[in-house]
Amino acid sequence: SAVISQKPSRDICQRGTSLTIQCQVDSQVTMMFWYRQQPGQSLTLIATANQGSEATYESGFVIDKFPISRPNLTFSTLTVSNMSPEDSSIYLCSVETGPEAFFGQGTRLTVV
Amino acid sequence: DAKTTQPPSMDCAEGRAANLPCNHSTISGNEYVYWYRQIHSQGPQYIIHGLKNNETNEMASLIITEDRKSSTLILPHATLRDTAVYYCIVKGFTGTASKLTFGTGTRLQVTL
Repeated sequence: SAVISQKPSRDICQRGTSLTIQCQVDSQVTMMFWYRQQPGQSLTLIATANQGSEATYESGFVIDKFPISRPNLTFSTLTVSNMSPEDSSIYLCSVETGPEAFFGQGTRLTVV
Repeated sequence: DAKTTQPPSMDCAEGRAANLPCNHSTISGNEYVYWYRQIHSQGPQYIIHGLKNNETNEMASLIITEDRKSSTLILPHATLRDTAVYYCIVKGFTGTASKLTFGTGTRLQVTL
């Protein structure tokens, strides 16, 4: 199993600013996944973060908007840059151990 | 990964069995059926997964048809705490972590 701690749990930000979300895992994992859940919607993968290499982004997501760091096997950050109200969502990190995926509790972001 | 189809919502009386169907007619031979649920404002939680045999754990049972084109998640005695969105996901398992592709899921409402 894996326990994931995400910070902050929620934030209200001004448009045009950036927010960095932290994800800490209690065990070493090769891949970490970042998802976005827009209001009333399902989860959509933003990118996959491997330690020691650049993140792999899904279609519709770019590094300039969502830069990711992965400095070691237990930690990752996702930055939401130059925010607009459309970025208001829940952002979740996830890891997989064996067949099971574990998720953080999410960061609820509101952009005003 | 194969696409899944689920009813958008279902109701179940507390104490009764909740049977949640999922169609995955394009599933390939090496793909597993996974079920996750998301209780309001929390990260998704793994429930169960299977390849072709029926599976049971402390949370639920998974019944997969012989042709593997559909499956049913059974919560044997639903409680109010089981109210959540349930996601059926088809994914290959190669031993390397990979993303989950979430559909729209089934919103299960358990009532008194």
